[in-house]
Amino acid sequence: SAVISQKPSRDICQRGTSLTIQCQVDSQVTMMFWYRQQPGQSLTLIATANQGSEATYESGFVIDKFPISRPNLTFSTLTVSNMSPEDSSIYLCSVLRGRAETQYFGPGTRLLVL
Amino acid sequence: EDQVTQSPEALRLQEGESSSLNCSYTVSGLRGLFWYRQDPGKGPEFLFTLYSAGEEKEKERLKATLTKKESFLHITAPKPEDSATYLCAVRAYNTDKLIFGTGTRLQVFP
Repeated sequence: SAVISQKPSRDICQRGTSLTIQCQVDSQVTMMFWYRQQPGQSLTLIATANQGSEATYESGFVIDKFPISRPNLTFSTLTVSNMSPEDSSIYLCSVLRGRAETQYFGPGTRLLVL
Repeated sequence: EDQVTQSPEALRLQEGESSSLNCSYTVSGLRGLFWYRQDPGKGPEFLFTLYSAGEEKEKERLKATLTKKESFLHITAPKPEDSATYLCAVRAYNTDKLIFGTGTRLQVFP
C-alpha cells in the first residue's frame, strides 16, 4: 500500500481567494493524480502530475484554475484559484503503486467556499 | 466511451442479511476493475483488483467476481461496520486513469 498525507484536511474559504493543497507520499512514485469529489458524487479526475513534466488536465479542467506542481517524486500541490461556491468539494490526491498498478488515495481535503 | 454504472444507489440490510452490489462497465479493453470502500469524510480504501472474466477475490465478508460486462461485490452476513459507500472503477489498456461509478451506499443495521 501507500501512506499518503494531505494538508490541510479541511478549510473554509472566501470566494475569490485561492487555496493550495499539499500531498506527501511515503516513498517515490512516478504518477500522482488529483481528483475532485463533489457532494454526493463520485470521483472525477482533475489532472495527472508526473515529475519533471507539465500536468495533464482532463476535459473541463484548466491549468489557470487548478495549477499543479510536482517538484519531486514524493510531493505535489494542487491550487484551487479564484474560488467560487461551486468549488466546494473534497479534493483527493492519489498515487499509482506496485506491479498491480493499484491506485491509493489520500484522506482528502474538504473545501467549503462561502 | 468508457463508462461504469453501479446499482443499487443505496442498500439497507439487516445484520447477517447477505446481498450483492453490481458494477456494469463498458471499456475499450479492460486493464483492470477496482473496488474501493469509502467511509464518510475519508478517501477511498482499496479492496480488490480483478483483471479477467471468471476471476474472484475474497477478503473477510467480501467477495468480488468479474464477467466480461459486469462485476459483483458479494457481502456475506454483513455487520454494521461494513456500512460505507462502495465504489467500482475501471482502467482501460490505453490509459492510466480510473473511471469511477457513482457508488453504492450500504447501510447495515443491527
